[in-house]
Amino acid sequence: EVLLLESGGDLIQPGGSLRLSCAASGFDFSAFPMSWVRQAPGKGLEWLSSVSGGGGNMYYAESVRDRFTISRDNSKNKLYLQMVTLRADDTAIYFCAKDYCSGTSCVNDFWGQGTLVTVSS
Amino acid sequence: QSALTQTASVSGSPGQSITISCSGTRSDVGGYNVVSWYQQHPGKAPKLIIYEDTKRPSGVSNRFSGSKSGSTASLTISGLQAEDEADYHCCAYAGSRFRLFGGGTRLIVL
Repeated sequence: EVLLLESGGDLIQPGGSLRLSCAASGFDFSAFPMSWVRQAPGKGLEWLSSVSGGGGNMYYAESVRDRFTISRDNSKNKLYLQMVTLRADDTAIYFCAKDYCSGTSCVNDFWGQGTLVTVSS
Repeated sequence: QSALTQTASVSGSPGQSITISCSGTRSDVGGYNVVSWYQQHPGKAPKLIIYEDTKRPSGVSNRFSGSKSGSTASLTISGLQAEDEADYHCCAYAGSRFRLFGGGTRLIVL
């Protein structure tokens, strides 16, 4: 059974930094790209970033490109999201998700339950 | 890029069929980019129910079907059941791992 468990969400002041973690189990972690997706309160989903299975290729949405860094440790089956210069509009539930990529697209076939990040003074 | 456009809410009675639309532009939905759909119950994680416009993952009911015409993708749910009440999100894959979500549609089962 694929399991993804996020942690690290917190109440943080504007301008602060935070690192989210996602522990994965139930599949060959290093074989699959992984993503972070967030959902602001009462809003839709927003893809943030993806990383290749080996960790060497990272991709970002324009909205977070200069502030967020995705990484993974395949020896620990863990995915990370380092966030700096946080703003109020970064307040959201952050989901870790496994990617399934075919020849034509990538989708997120398994998701964690999410971790809440609240940016407020 | 702006989010894909979805109707805020739709409703239907048990047994009926409903269709949720997702509108984009030629650079996302209308291009060579494929669309997926996710179901999300309140307080829960999203669940993939349609990928590559029309395909269903293993275990997803065949009451769910996807289609696409031009710059509009659609999700149809037939034989509506109470458990289908949830939010539905469309997503267009734009290449290089980048994907664009819609704003979500709340399905209310009357």
